[in-house]
Amino acid sequence: NAGVMQNPRHLVRRRGQEARLRCSPMKGHSHVYWYRQLPEEGLKFMVYLQKENIIDESGMPKERFSAEFPKEGPSILRIQQVVRGDSAAYFCASSPRDSLNSPLHFGNGTRLTVT
Amino acid sequence: DAKTTQPPSMDCAEGRAANLPCNHSTISGNEYVYWYRQIHSQGPQYIIHGLKNNETNEMASLIITEDRKSSTLILPHATLRDTAVYYCIGISSNTGKLIFGQGTTLQVKP
Repeated sequence: NAGVMQNPRHLVRRRGQEARLRCSPMKGHSHVYWYRQLPEEGLKFMVYLQKENIIDESGMPKERFSAEFPKEGPSILRIQQVVRGDSAAYFCASSPRDSLNSPLHFGNGTRLTVT
Repeated sequence: DAKTTQPPSMDCAEGRAANLPCNHSTISGNEYVYWYRQIHSQGPQYIIHGLKNNETNEMASLIITEDRKSSTLILPHATLRDTAVYYCIGISSNTGKLIFGQGTTLQVKP
């Protein structure tokens, strides 16, 4: 049973470019969470999605960031016009979310470097 | 969401039990306590969770006080590979999202 898969593992973008981060949840999981970890800092919640729906985006920056989880395919975190401050590790987690008794399982992240 | 408080760092000798405390005095009755760890910038790894009763799995034991205001994660025989940041988290009753604090950096020493 494959775990949460994130790709790419490392992504380098120049300022002003777009970054697309992909997350394939574990089989049978229909709930996806995205987190960001800035260098030497803790993990910050960004967004929670179910298939085709954004449930909680209280941690998303107001501009340039968007997320989707389509009916088919992986969840995508998209960052437009990247800036140096976007350099961070981005982690995705998935859950079957049938109850609060279901752990979230994390991928190994995408490390974004903006030059 | 329950606010949790953990010591910033702890040391443990290899082969000994590591006991990591967590205070969660504001936890509500239906909120679970979850423990995760992060080893050197890898993705957080689920360890264990509980509601009221003590729990044990192949990785660790979780002891929750009767009033649920605190808990202790026990790694029975710590190894060098257990060196990590350990997070105690009260899970949101609305969305199930995990709110990470600063955690405890556990250093297992030879």
